[in-house]
Amino acid sequence: KAGVTQTPRYLIKTRGQQVTLSCSPISGHRSVSWYQQTPGQGLQFLFEYFSETQRNKGNFPGRFSGRQFSNSRSEMNVSTLELGDSALYLCASSLVSDRMNTEAFFGQGTRLTVV
Amino acid sequence: AQKITQTQPGMFVQEKEAVTLDCTYDTSDQSYGLFWYKQPSSGEMIFLIYQGSYDEQNATEGRYSLNFQKARKSANLVISASQLGDSAMYFCAMRLTGANSKLTFGKGITLSVRP
Repeated sequence: KAGVTQTPRYLIKTRGQQVTLSCSPISGHRSVSWYQQTPGQGLQFLFEYFSETQRNKGNFPGRFSGRQFSNSRSEMNVSTLELGDSALYLCASSLVSDRMNTEAFFGQGTRLTVV
Repeated sequence: AQKITQTQPGMFVQEKEAVTLDCTYDTSDQSYGLFWYKQPSSGEMIFLIYQGSYDEQNATEGRYSLNFQKARKSANLVISASQLGDSAMYFCAMRLTGANSKLTFGKGITLSVRP
C-alpha cells in the first residue's frame, strides 16, 4: 500500500513568487491536512480538506490557500512568498477527520526555502 | 483551546536503556486522543502510539508504552531498550472529536541514543 506522497521534496523560490505543493494521500483516505514546521514555531496547522471541502483552517494569512480534488489529492499554494515562509510543509492523510482516535499518516514533506 | 507542552531539553540515553519523554496537555474537553510521533532527520512523521481519554489501560506498542495520568494531564512516552535508530525528534500531539479535530503538537524533544 503506497504511503503519502508529497512533491516536490525540495524547492527554492524567490521572495514575491508563488509556489504550489502537492500531496497524494493513501488510497481510500478522504482527509488531507497540511502543517508548517519551522524551528521557531514548531508544527502549526494550516488547513484540512475532506471530500473536496475545507473543514478546518489554522491561523495563517490569506496568502496560504489549498484545494482538494475528487481523487483526494490536495495542493496548497502560497502567493507572494516571504522569507518567513521557509519551512518544512507536511501533509497528513486520514480515513476520516472528526474522531479523536483518527490516526494521521504523514508524507516526507516539502522543504521550501525562500531567498 | 488545547495545548501540548514538551519542555525537556535534548535528551540522551545509553543504548539498551529505557528513557521517558515527558508530555503534558491542557484541554477542557472530556473526549480527546493523545498521540506520539517520531520524526527522523528525513522529515517524515512516524506514528508510534495512541491513548484515548477514556482508555483505562496504558497503551503499549512493542518497545513503546504511554504512561497516561489523566488527573495530572500527562502522557509520557517510555521507550524501553533504546536502539541507535531511536535517535530522532519526538512529538506529542492531541486531537479532539468533532469539527475541530486537528492535531495539535508540542514543540518536540530531541532524543540522542549513545552507543
